[in-house]
Amino acid sequence: EDQVTQSPEALRLQEGESSSLNCSYTVSGLRGLFWYRQDPGKGPEFLFTLYSAGEEKEKERLKATLTKKESFLHITAPKPEDSATYLCAVSSNNAGNMLTFGGGTRLMVKP
Amino acid sequence: DADVTQTPRNRITKTGKRIMLECSQTKGHDRMYWYRQDPGLGLRLIYYSFDVKDINKGEISDGYSVSRQAQAKFSLSLESAIPNQTALYFCATSDSRPDTQYFGPGTRLTVL
Repeated sequence: EDQVTQSPEALRLQEGESSSLNCSYTVSGLRGLFWYRQDPGKGPEFLFTLYSAGEEKEKERLKATLTKKESFLHITAPKPEDSATYLCAVSSNNAGNMLTFGGGTRLMVKP
Repeated sequence: DADVTQTPRNRITKTGKRIMLECSQTKGHDRMYWYRQDPGLGLRLIYYSFDVKDINKGEISDGYSVSRQAQAKFSLSLESAIPNQTALYFCATSDSRPDTQYFGPGTRLTVL
């Protein structure tokens, strides 16, 4: 059974204070690892897909990296508008097209 | 216009009532999904459909049913709503590769 664990559950940062969110996973044959952003009461918004260890993707202040056991979402010089819950999910050969989600990290950026 | 739309966006109903949540997409994807989200429990898959003739149960299908009326439309029904079905419900779509799912804005359902 695929498993995804995100840490920390919540993270408070000052504006401009860079940090990283962690997503650890256990799967049988990784097909892809996905990062989403979710604002309160809204649907998850797709950010990145990573397919193989060593891959990196960037979007504005966000950078996602992938190893064989975990992924990091690095946030550089965050702004208050980056406050949201960040979800990590995996798809695997074991589960086909299905996504297994982690519990999310709630990020709060104070001005 | 949004690629994935859900109606209604908010619904309050009473125990025992039948309710239908609807999802439409303009992304041209074959695959559609229904999830529910509860605080502390994350996103859990209720049903999924890989094409109009293919319907599959997910992790938590008890108490729910679905209908895939067309490639672009996927409905979720609660035949007899109960209070522990109070949650946020999301529809999602994907193509066969690369598995990326795109979510709708959600329906907040309250069962009294």
